[in-house]
Amino acid sequence: KQEVTQIPAALSVPEGENLVLNCSFTDSAIYNLQWFRQDPGKGLTSLLLIQSSQREQTSGRLNASLDKSSGRSTLYIAASQPGDSATYLCAVEDRGNSGGSNYKLTFGKGTLLTVNP
Amino acid sequence: ETGVTQTPRHLVMGMTNKKSLKCEQHLGHNAMYWYKQSAKKPLELMFVYNFKEQTENNSVPSRFSPECPNSSHLFLHLHTLQPEDSALYLCASSQGTGGLNTEAFFGQGTRLTVV
Repeated sequence: KQEVTQIPAALSVPEGENLVLNCSFTDSAIYNLQWFRQDPGKGLTSLLLIQSSQREQTSGRLNASLDKSSGRSTLYIAASQPGDSATYLCAVEDRGNSGGSNYKLTFGKGTLLTVNP
Repeated sequence: ETGVTQTPRHLVMGMTNKKSLKCEQHLGHNAMYWYKQSAKKPLELMFVYNFKEQTENNSVPSRFSPECPNSSHLFLHLHTLQPEDSALYLCASSQGTGGLNTEAFFGQGTRLTVV
């Protein structure tokens, strides 16, 4: 059964600092990995999607890397801002337990990021 | 705005009530999903529909009944719920499933409280 772990569970940094969020998964047979942002009580916003054949993706101040063989991904946020404060979720897509055509996303519990002005 | 709209945003219901959650996507996607998000737990996949056909039922109790009349609309019918069913229910859609074109777009969620 796929399990996704995110470390740390919470992180507090001063504005302007560069930071790294970590995600690990137990089954490397994934199709892709996706990073999301969730504001309190709201839905999820997709940040970056990395296909299993890719090593990294970049969007603005965000850079996500994927090492499929070791089951790890990192989300790098450059020059953090108070508006970056949110919970960041990592999810991997694989075939789930039933195989066949039943693909599913498995999520981690997230990292709660607070960027202090 | 992600293109996935959920209504209502908040719902309080008694254990004997029957209610429905609605999800609508305007992205032309073929796959739609229901997730449950409880405090201190990862998002849990409940149901997957691909081209209106249910392809995943993740051992969800029968008091939750999904309906997908077309690729743009997804409902979750609720009846005789328990207080532990209180959670944020999230709908998502993607172009397809399995690898390419599977970037998931989420709605804002329905905060459900069962009293």
